[in-house]
Amino acid sequence: ILNVEQSPQSLHVQEGDSTNFTCSFPSSNFYALHWYRWETAKSPEALFVMTLNGDEKKKGRISATLNTKEGYSYLYIKGSQPEDSATYLCAPGPLNSGGSNYKLTFGKGTLLTVNP
Amino acid sequence: GAVVSQHPSWVICKSGTSVKIECRSLDFQATTMFWYRQFPKQSLMLMATSNEGSKATYEQGVEKDKFLINHASLTLSTLTVTSAHPEDSSFYICSASPGLAESYEQYFGPGTRLTVT
Repeated sequence: ILNVEQSPQSLHVQEGDSTNFTCSFPSSNFYALHWYRWETAKSPEALFVMTLNGDEKKKGRISATLNTKEGYSYLYIKGSQPEDSATYLCAPGPLNSGGSNYKLTFGKGTLLTVNP
Repeated sequence: GAVVSQHPSWVICKSGTSVKIECRSLDFQATTMFWYRQFPKQSLMLMATSNEGSKATYEQGVEKDKFLINHASLTLSTLTVTSAHPEDSSFYICSASPGLAESYEQYFGPGTRLTVT
């Protein structure tokens, strides 16, 4: 079982602040890394899937980077808004597997609260 | 697109009874569906993986006779918690994958909160 650590566990920021959090996992060249945003009472929403070491992806004010050699990914939110409040989950999956063998291992998540 | 529904969203049942949870992919065909469980303050833990028309593969420590999984069509998988006990009280959530080549996407349902009294 992979050890996936997310930090911080929770954080509170003011509207307009930029913030970032970390996902750590065993270093390897063979992971795809998923980020999900999970709002209360809703389905986890896929933000990014990154498969290449050094990958950077961006979606609006949210961006993410991946370093598989050292085993971490950062998620950045620029100019946080109250609607960004959610739990952000990361999950590495084995890149060289597919279909039913492709199993995600989740971290406990980072709970972000953006105060207006 | 890529919407997954789950029913019911919450259920309370008495100890010893069975509960069925449905997971449906609404706008795509799901070759593979995954069932997860989350205990308070813990991460989502994979329970089992199911492919349409075949038996589910259970993770270590998950009792297959207690958690019955059926994936009878490309849009529906069900998880039945048999002879439920209070320790089975948890949050159960499914995800579905279209299983396309080089696609690693999993789309999640909103989850089901099970309370066993």
